[in-house]
Amino acid sequence: EILMTQSPATLSVSPGEGATLSCRASESVSSNLAWYQQKPGQAPRLLIYGASTRATGIPTRFSGIGSGTEFTLTISSLQSEDFAVYYCQQYNNWPRTFGQGTKVEIK
Amino acid sequence: QVQLRESGPGLVKPSQTLSLTCSVSGVTISSFGNFWSWIRQHPGKGLEWIGYIYYSGSTYYNPSLKSRVIISLDTSRNLFSLRLSSVTAADTAMYYCARSSGQPNWFDPWGQGTLVTVSS
Repeated sequence: EILMTQSPATLSVSPGEGATLSCRASESVSSNLAWYQQKPGQAPRLLIYGASTRATGIPTRFSGIGSGTEFTLTISSLQSEDFAVYYCQQYNNWPRTFGQGTKVEIK
Repeated sequence: QVQLRESGPGLVKPSQTLSLTCSVSGVTISSFGNFWSWIRQHPGKGLEWIGYIYYSGSTYYNPSLKSRVIISLDTSRNLFSLRLSSVTAADTAMYYCARSSGQPNWFDPWGQGTLVTVSS
């Protein structure tokens, strides 16, 4: 099974600043990577698929890049509603696996 | 707009079978190209994909749970179900259902989740 490792575990950011989240796969997943946002008490919400394609309705301040084993989610100019936990997920191999998450908190 | 909603007992005794249903609205569950998955999240932890059922009824399970999992469709009620047998405290988690469209790749949308606690 492919292990997905996210860093950092927690990221403290001031509103209006940018944030860069990393996701590393234990082996290549090509561009078969998705990102999700999860707020407390809510289900995860799809942000990005195909490593860089924003899902329907996702603001342009969210962007993804990467391929192979290294991926990055960038949130430019964090808004109050962006403070949440972010997960990456690979869909190149079975079983589908998720990272452990990065919590973006208010600094 | 596709919506999913999980339901089922919030408390299950050890060694018993956990049974949950996911009611789907906005799309016919047996319509072409839809994959219906169960995913769980242990308290304070990450996400674990359990398995999926295709619109045709074929299934694929996470090997780590395969021996205990059955996912089935109920087209008459437009829902799909999860059965997880021989549960232990390690199965205590929030259980989500979700859809994949076209290919069993990413998950969108998700249900709101239902918490299942395994305890005597």
